[in-house]
Amino acid sequence: EIVLTQSPGTLSLSPGDRATLSCRASQSVRDNHLAWFQQKPGQAPRVLIYDASRRATGIPDRFSGSGSGTDFTLTITRVEPEDFAVYYCQQFGSSHSITFGQGTRLDIK
Amino acid sequence: QLQLQESGPGLVKPSETLTLTCSVSGGSMNMKDQNWAWIRQPPGKGLEWIGTVDNDGSTYSNPSLKSRVIISIDKSKNQFSLNLSSLTAADTAVYFCSRDFHWELRFWGQGTLVTVSS
Repeated sequence: EIVLTQSPGTLSLSPGDRATLSCRASQSVRDNHLAWFQQKPGQAPRVLIYDASRRATGIPDRFSGSGSGTDFTLTITRVEPEDFAVYYCQQFGSSHSITFGQGTRLDIK
Repeated sequence: QLQLQESGPGLVKPSETLTLTCSVSGGSMNMKDQNWAWIRQPPGKGLEWIGTVDNDGSTYSNPSLKSRVIISIDKSKNQFSLNLSSLTAADTAVYFCSRDFHWELRFWGQGTLVTVSS
C-alpha cells in the first residue's frame, strides 16, 4: 500500500502570498494518478488537480500541480481569502485502491 | 451535472451493521469506465477510502476494513450501497460517496454523519 506524506502540516500565509504544498509517496504513483483536493469545514472535498498537473473543470489558474513518480507539489501562486482550507493529496493504486495524504492546513497568518 | 446523495441512519449501535445508500442523478450509471466509491472522515481527521464498486459489480475494499465491508450496485435504481458490519465507536465518521471516472474523483455527495453509540 502506498503511503502519502504531506508537508508541512500547517502553512500560515497572508493573502497574496505564494503557497507551496508537498506530497511524497512511499512508492512511485502509478501513471502519476495523483490528485489534490481542497476541503472547507462542513463540505465535501473538491478536486483541484488530477493526474498530477491537470486542472479540474472550473478551478482558477492560480492553482497548479507538478511532479511525478514519488514527489508532487501543489502551488497557489497568489493565495486568495477563500483559499484558506485543508488540502489533501490522493492517489489511485492497483485494484481501484485509493489513498489520501494526512492533509495540509492553510491558515491565515 | 451529476449529483450524488447519501442516505442512511445517523445513529447506530455498537456491533450492529451500517447500511448506507448513494443515489445518483443527473447522469447514467451505465456509462463505461465509471467506478463508485465510499470514503469516510472521522470528526476532525483525514479521509479514508472504504471501497469501490465498478460498473460490472466487482468490488474492491480497503484491506483494513475488508472483512467488514460489502458494497453493491443497482443500476436500475441508480444507486450503490455500503454495508459495514461489527461497528465500533471508531467507525463514527462522515461518510461520502463519490464517482471515480478516469482516475478523477470529481463528483461527491455532501456526506452523512454516522455516530456509533449505545
